[in-house]
Amino acid sequence: DGGITQSPKYLFRKEGQNVTLSCEQNLNHDAMYWYRQDPGQGLRLIYYSQIVNDFQKGDIAEGYSVSREKKESFPLTVTSAQKNPTAFYLCASSIFTGPGDEAFFGQGTRLTVV
Amino acid sequence: QKEVEQDPGPLSVPEGAIVSLNCTYSNSAFQYFMWYRQYSRKGPELLMYTYSSGNKEDGRFTAQVDKSSKYISLFIRDSQPSDSATYLCAMIKAAGNKLTFGGGTRVLVKP
Repeated sequence: DGGITQSPKYLFRKEGQNVTLSCEQNLNHDAMYWYRQDPGQGLRLIYYSQIVNDFQKGDIAEGYSVSREKKESFPLTVTSAQKNPTAFYLCASSIFTGPGDEAFFGQGTRLTVV
Repeated sequence: QKEVEQDPGPLSVPEGAIVSLNCTYSNSAFQYFMWYRQYSRKGPELLMYTYSSGNKEDGRFTAQVDKSSKYISLFIRDSQPSDSATYLCAMIKAAGNKLTFGGGTRVLVKP
């Protein structure tokens, strides 16, 4: 089945550690996105990529890094520089070549700092 | 000030009632408007997409766009307990641009 897969579903991080969240899609979509969701805040864009080997910062990129070496993969690293990383992280992909192209979301990764 | 404003709720209604949701936005450059539904601890899924001002119907769902007032709405008729979720509006300025989301409204439909 085609879709977008995030792993792990739950992730615990100690203070000062870097962690990497996985996002894989087999929809042949060019564009991929990472969002952070906090209660009452909606979705805030961290990074996005419209093509392999290229990505742009979103609204809250500080403390995060990404890579886009393959079309189907867009991993997100939460670095120790991110002061408040506990949140629900959502990855999405889309074609976005025309109006209304749907963004498909993964099931999310819940990151908790312990 | 956020570009897209949405009342966080929760909005509680009895089963069978009409649910009315809305978002306001400040930037007239937004051209395409979407509504996503998100169940607890899941990723959002697209419900409705609209482009021009006016109404669009899909089953029990009606989306309205008023570009002159920078206001969009989603109506859910004959609401069911399974409609209990968070509803997020989203919009983009042009094809290929990033989505901008509202904060989401939590809806509870009581049997």
